[in-house]
Amino acid sequence: NAGVTQTPKFQVLKTGQSMTLQCAQDMNHNSMYWYRQDPGMGLRLIYYSASEGTTDKGEVPNGYNVSRLNKREFSLRLESAAPSQTSVYFCASKPGQDSYEQYFGPGTRLTVT
Amino acid sequence: QKEVEQNSGPLSVPEGAIASLNCTYSDRGSQSFFWYRQYSGKSPELIMFIYSNGDKEDGRFTAQLNKASQYVSLLIRDSQPSDSATYLCAQRVNYQLIWGAGTKLIIKP
Repeated sequence: NAGVTQTPKFQVLKTGQSMTLQCAQDMNHNSMYWYRQDPGMGLRLIYYSASEGTTDKGEVPNGYNVSRLNKREFSLRLESAAPSQTSVYFCASKPGQDSYEQYFGPGTRLTVT
Repeated sequence: QKEVEQNSGPLSVPEGAIASLNCTYSDRGSQSFFWYRQYSGKSPELIMFIYSNGDKEDGRFTAQLNKASQYVSLLIRDSQPSDSATYLCAQRVNYQLIWGAGTKLIIKP
C-alpha cells in the first residue's frame, strides 16, 4: 500500500516550458488536492477534485490546469512555466469531503529558471 | 479574507519541557481545526484535530480551542528532540483547509 505517490521528485524547467506533475493514490479515496508550498507561506490550494469526474479551482489556480484521469490519478499541468511557479508541490487525498484527515504525497520540488 | 495566523518562530524549548504553539483565525464560520507536523523536506502529517471548545488530549499532545478568543493551541508535553519540526495549523472552511504558515519548533537536548 503505497499511499499517495508523486512524480517526479525534482524538476528544473526553463521559462515557457510545459510539464505535467503526476499524482496517484491507492487508498480508494474520492477527494484529491493539489497544493503549493512556498517559504514563509502556508500551503495554498491550487485545484481540487471532490470526486471522480469533478474538478474545481482553489485559491491560486492561474497558470495551472488539472485532470482527474480516474479515481486514482490527479495530474497538474503547467502550460507555460514562469519563475513565480518555483515551489514545492504536494498532492493530497482523503476518503471524502466530510473526512478529516488529508494524506499527502512526498512532494515535487520544481524550479523554473 | 479568511486567514489563519501563526508565529513563524523558531520556538526553542529544552528537552523535557512543554512546548506551546499558538494559532489565531479570522473566520468564525467553521470551528474545525487541524494540527499537522512537517519535518524538513517531508510532507505534512496529521497530529490532531479539534472541533469542540476546550481541550483534547492524545498522548503527549493536547489541542486547545477557544472560540471566544478565536485561537487554537497545541501543547507538547515532555518535548523530545524528535518533536523538532514545523507545526502547521489549518482551519476547515467549506470542506477546504486554510493553512497557517507554520511555526518552527526546535527542541534542545
